[in-house]
Amino acid sequence: NAGVTQTPKFRILKIGQSMTLQCTQDMNHNYMYWYRQDPGMGLKLIYYSVGAGITDKGEVPNGYNVSRSTTEDFPLRLELAAPSQTSVYFCASSRTQETQYFGPGTRLLVL
Amino acid sequence: QKEVEQNSGPLSVPEGAIASLNCTYSDRVSQSFFWYRQYSGKSPELIMSIYSNGDKEDGRFTAQLNKASQYVSLLIRDSQPSDSATYLCAVNSVNTGNQFYFGTGTSLTVIP
Repeated sequence: NAGVTQTPKFRILKIGQSMTLQCTQDMNHNYMYWYRQDPGMGLKLIYYSVGAGITDKGEVPNGYNVSRSTTEDFPLRLELAAPSQTSVYFCASSRTQETQYFGPGTRLLVL
Repeated sequence: QKEVEQNSGPLSVPEGAIASLNCTYSDRVSQSFFWYRQYSGKSPELIMSIYSNGDKEDGRFTAQLNKASQYVSLLIRDSQPSDSATYLCAVNSVNTGNQFYFGTGTSLTVIP
């Protein structure tokens, strides 16, 4: 099993551009999450999903959108990128509301 | 706003010593508590989970939970240089549904 995979690993965006961060898991987990981690800070939940077709906002959803059309994929969309969205983004999945398995992260720089 | 507080450190201990990491949380009905280890530039990985008051041991790691004091800790016995990392505390409760709240992490350095 590859676990949780994320692409790209690193991206530079200009202010106002948009992009999609990809996340795929092959563990047949129902729960999937998107977090952001700013330097020296903990993880902040952006959006989460409890199954295909179901998504909900986390602590910091503004400026982001998600969709969950399949169990495996949970892409995160950034519209109109802003410098405040410079961060490391982690996708995670879990079978239950317990052990979360994290992907390797996407480092995003908005200039 | 659910708050999870950790001492950011850095915490330095000599090799072989016990490292003690602490976490407090504000949501009194929190039910599930987790410790993650994060190496620099890497993603978090789960070390321990604890749900009931008391101690839970797994190898060199012991998690301690005191719900009355809203306090959870992680003890690392016989600390090794490979334990040098940032340790994140995370909390979940039925009130927050599927949301987990993370602390800012404590940086641990084990000195050989």
